[in-house]
Amino acid sequence: EDQVTQSPEALRLQEGESSSLNCSYTVSGLRGLFWYRQDPGKGPEFLFTLYSAGEEKEKERLKATLTKKESFLHITAPKPEDSATYLCAVDANDYKLSFGAGTTVTVRA
Amino acid sequence: GAVVSQHPSWVICKSGTSVKIECRSLDFQATTMFWYRQFPKQSLMLMATSNEGSKATYEQGVEKDKFLINHASLTLSTLTVTSAHPEDSSFYICSALKGARSNQPQHFGDGTRLSIL
Repeated sequence: EDQVTQSPEALRLQEGESSSLNCSYTVSGLRGLFWYRQDPGKGPEFLFTLYSAGEEKEKERLKATLTKKESFLHITAPKPEDSATYLCAVDANDYKLSFGAGTTVTVRA
Repeated sequence: GAVVSQHPSWVICKSGTSVKIECRSLDFQATTMFWYRQFPKQSLMLMATSNEGSKATYEQGVEKDKFLINHASLTLSTLTVTSAHPEDSSFYICSALKGARSNQPQHFGDGTRLSIL
């Protein structure tokens, strides 16, 4: 059974304080790993797709990396608007996504 | 862009009522759409895969007679919660795959908050 574990559950940062979120996964065959951002009461917003170990993607203050067992989402010099829940999901079977529980990031000004 | 619209965004109804939720891909065709359920402070759980022109496939433990899915066109899928009860109260979210099946990401609607009294 596919498993996706995210840590930490919650992260409180001061504005400008960089940090990383972890997503560990156990799947039989990874087709793709996805990062989404979810604001309260909204649906997930797509951020990145990673397909193979060693791959990296960047968007503004966010950078996602992938190894054979885990992915990291690095937040560099975060701003209050980066506050959200960040979800990791894996596609290991017929385009169905298995989601982790998410990391809720709060950035204080 | 890849915009997915979900309607309604919020519904409150009495126990025993059936509720229909619509999911539309506004600027692309979606052969495949997905329906998820999310409880407070929990992650998304896949309920079913909706395929245009064919029957939906349901995840283990999801009652297909309770959650009716129709995907009649390439831009619209509907989820009907039949004879809803308080335990069906949840946040329901749909997503759509842009184009044919590939490693494209799923694009999500903004969800429907369902409260059954």
